[in-house]
Amino acid sequence: QKEVEQNSGPLSVPEGAIASLNCTYSDRGSQSFFWYRQYSGKSPELIMFIYSNGDKEDGRFTAQLNKASQYVSLLIRDSQPSDSATYLCALDMGRRALTFGSGTRLQVQP
Amino acid sequence: GAVVSQHPSWVICKSGTSVKIECRSLDFQATTMFWYRQFPKQSLMLMATSNEGSKATYEQGVEKDKFLINHASLTLSTLTVTSAHPEDSSFYICSARKLAVSSYNEQFFGPGTRLTVL
Repeated sequence: QKEVEQNSGPLSVPEGAIASLNCTYSDRGSQSFFWYRQYSGKSPELIMFIYSNGDKEDGRFTAQLNKASQYVSLLIRDSQPSDSATYLCALDMGRRALTFGSGTRLQVQP
Repeated sequence: GAVVSQHPSWVICKSGTSVKIECRSLDFQATTMFWYRQFPKQSLMLMATSNEGSKATYEQGVEKDKFLINHASLTLSTLTVTSAHPEDSSFYICSARKLAVSSYNEQFFGPGTRLTVL
């Protein structure tokens, strides 16, 4: 089992819809969870992080964390074509570097 | 803010030459910097962890004599690809972790350096 699992996609949603991106992880000791966005040919950009169970909202983005079930998700409301990118889930597993998933490719159809 | 810069943004070199890539944290001090490599349509691959004033820690399978890392200050780390070969052509990305009590270990990425070895 991979330490961080993400569906590679592509996840295709129509413009204006809610995109739901999911990530499961194996290490119950993980404390902090991060979502990064990576456009093709560019480096990852931090969108938000969460460390407490529940929801955390930032603009059109909502991160949801459930430590008991070991999953973290990212909801993107009112999806725009400019949201089309690969979304990387990352965890702080107590190592020096964050542990990244392989990413989910999101396509928002105009 | 948390801005990380990389230089150069792209480089083309001949096989056998060495290439140095700089990574700087512009508005914060970074305890640790990381070097990643990413091939087209593939995941980020952590190459090494760079700590200021000490030797870098390399991931399994990464040749430390080929990928030389120097972390001279809390704001600068360099990666030198020695005797580059076409198979070293890739997108090299650095990231930096903030030195702050309130930090949750966020890593901020530089814009990346695209290396092409002819």
